Order: sequence, then structure tokens, then C-alpha cells
Amino acid sequence: KNEVEQSPQNLTAQEGEFITINCSYSVGISALHWLQQHPGGGIVSLFMLSSGKKKHGRLIATINIQEKHSSLHITASHPRDSAVYICAVFTRDDKIIFGKGTRLHILP
Amino acid sequence: DSGVTQTPKHLITATGQRVTLRCSPRSGDLSVYWYQQSLDQGLQFLIQYYNGEERAKGNILERFSAQQFPDLHSELNLSSLELGDSALYFCASSVGSGDLYNEQFFGPGTRLTVL
Repeated sequence: KNEVEQSPQNLTAQEGEFITINCSYSVGISALHWLQQHPGGGIVSLFMLSSGKKKHGRLIATINIQEKHSSLHITASHPRDSAVYICAVFTRDDKIIFGKGTRLHILP
Repeated sequence: DSGVTQTPKHLITATGQRVTLRCSPRSGDLSVYWYQQSLDQGLQFLIQYYNGEERAKGNILERFSAQQFPDLHSELNLSSLELGDSALYFCASSVGSGDLYNEQFFGPGTRLTVL
């Protein structure tokens, strides 16, 4: 079993839909990072979380440390949100472990 | 544009060879991280440097080494290359207080192909 699991692996939705991507982990962490990887390969940092909730524009990230779970939400999704979303955890012994990513495709 | 630069963009080489990948962090960032992304393994953390010193180590092979220079640019050296080393290599930088979990800014990556 992987230490960081993301679900779903693939997601296709219509423009305007509310999107939720989940990340569960089994190790003790210091923080969790949500990344977006564009079709061209570039990686952009979305959020760094150690507790609670963060919001930036149409993106919201939450983390529940007790349940070892984080979610990334996209409101009013748009075709330009199509990308791979990757969760990474920073463990207490200074390691970084990545999930395998969720491939999101938003249809116009 | 994240402000992190990586050269070269693409690199094609043969098995057994040695290559050097270069990364220049954002102005003012003291930490540099190296990652490998392959089709079968996904993203993997290799190593972090902070202000010239090795700060944290991930799944870096013994054939690979890195360093961060006084001007804060970093180089990742890959030697005795194997077919399985073909991957995208990303560099990221952060303001860094030395802690691993500062927000990171990623470079565009170097695509290495080993033939």
C-alpha cells in the first residue's frame, strides 16, 4: 500500500461543476503540498497546508491531521483547470512523498 | 514563470555516460530541491540543499550527486547512466528557513533521455 493515496485517479467533468480531489496518507507529517502539473509538464505550487483550510480564488484546500486526509476543491470548474493534481506530504523525518496524481479533464 | 531556471531543457545521452543538470533558484531563495519524475515511479524527491549545505536526502541513487554553490545555483550530477534514469528532472526553490516544508517554486524541468 502506498503511503500517499489520491483519488480519483482520473476525473472528467463538465465546465462549471464542483470538483473534489482527495489525498489520504498513512505517515506522520509536518505539512502537505498540493501541486498542479500542466499538460506541458510545468509544475505549479497551489497550497502548502499544515492545518485547517486555505482558499485562493476558486481553489480551496483542507486538511484533517487526525484523519490523515486532505481535499482539494475547485469551484466553478473551467477547461483551463484541466491538469494533473498532485499531493505531496512532508514527513516528520524530512522526507517528501508524492501521490500518483489525479488527472482532471474539464469539458467545455 | 516561477523564476527558477533549469538548463538544459532536453538532454539525450547514452548508457554509461555522465551528465550535469543545472538549476538557478529564484532571487533570494536559499533552498534548492531536486526531483525525478518518471512514467513508472511518478515524482520522487532526491535531495535538498540549503545555503550551500545538504539539508535532506530522499531516494537519490549513489550514482547521483548534487551540490549548491556560493551563488546558490545547484547542479545535479548523474553518472553511469542507465536506461531507467530517463526521466524529467525538476528543480524547485524556496525562501527557506531551512525547514523542508516551505512553499516551493518549480523550474520547467530537464528531460533526460538515455539511449
